[in-house]
Amino acid sequence: EPEVTQTPSHQVTQMGQEVILRCVPISNHLYFYWYRQILGQKVEFLVSFYNNEISEKSEIFDDQFSVERPDGSNFTLKIRSTKLEDSAMYFCASSASSPGQGRPKLFFGSGTQLSVL
Amino acid sequence: QKEVEQDPGPLSVPEGAIVSLNCTYSNSAFQYFMWYRQYSRKGPELLMYTYSSGNKEDGRFTAQVDKSSKYISLFIRDSQPSDSATYLCAMSGTTGRRALTFGSGTRLQVQP
Repeated sequence: EPEVTQTPSHQVTQMGQEVILRCVPISNHLYFYWYRQILGQKVEFLVSFYNNEISEKSEIFDDQFSVERPDGSNFTLKIRSTKLEDSAMYFCASSASSPGQGRPKLFFGSGTQLSVL
Repeated sequence: QKEVEQDPGPLSVPEGAIVSLNCTYSNSAFQYFMWYRQYSRKGPELLMYTYSSGNKEDGRFTAQVDKSSKYISLFIRDSQPSDSATYLCAMSGTTGRRALTFGSGTRLQVQP
């Protein structure tokens, strides 16, 4: 079965450093997402991306965050200057259709655990 | 009031029991209702998806949506130790905010 692949599985960084989290969505999917889950808390939406632009973002996704699809297969999340509170599990997801239309089946990757020290 | 509320559990049941998991929500714009299963250190995996009100059955799993009460349920029949996981409800609308809004998850432990 096709799957969403995320690398690295763990990332440790110093506060103030830039990090890039990488994802390879399922190949025929058109919608891409980043969610995060702080330990013990709920899964939170960060951003959705379609047709090479952000289609929706949450209040968490401020100017420190950016997303990019640099080629036909990768989807990245960049945090420019990490803060302690950015420590979380970051999940990439992809879907063939938007959650607001048709069958909103999102496939999630296994996540990148980001630890900011 | 939180947008989606879910009892965090943990819920411990013997193998073979019927499990009932529930969420309530406040946003009447939600139209799509989903249940995800999440194993430790893994991403959420979609179990069931329902549009608007009604029931949906898939094997041992039944999802129910009551939009008038803003209440959704997931029933697991003949529960197995392999069902031990955290179950997340998630919802989305067709207008405005269309991203998934998750509940906090209910941790289920099925004892052999």
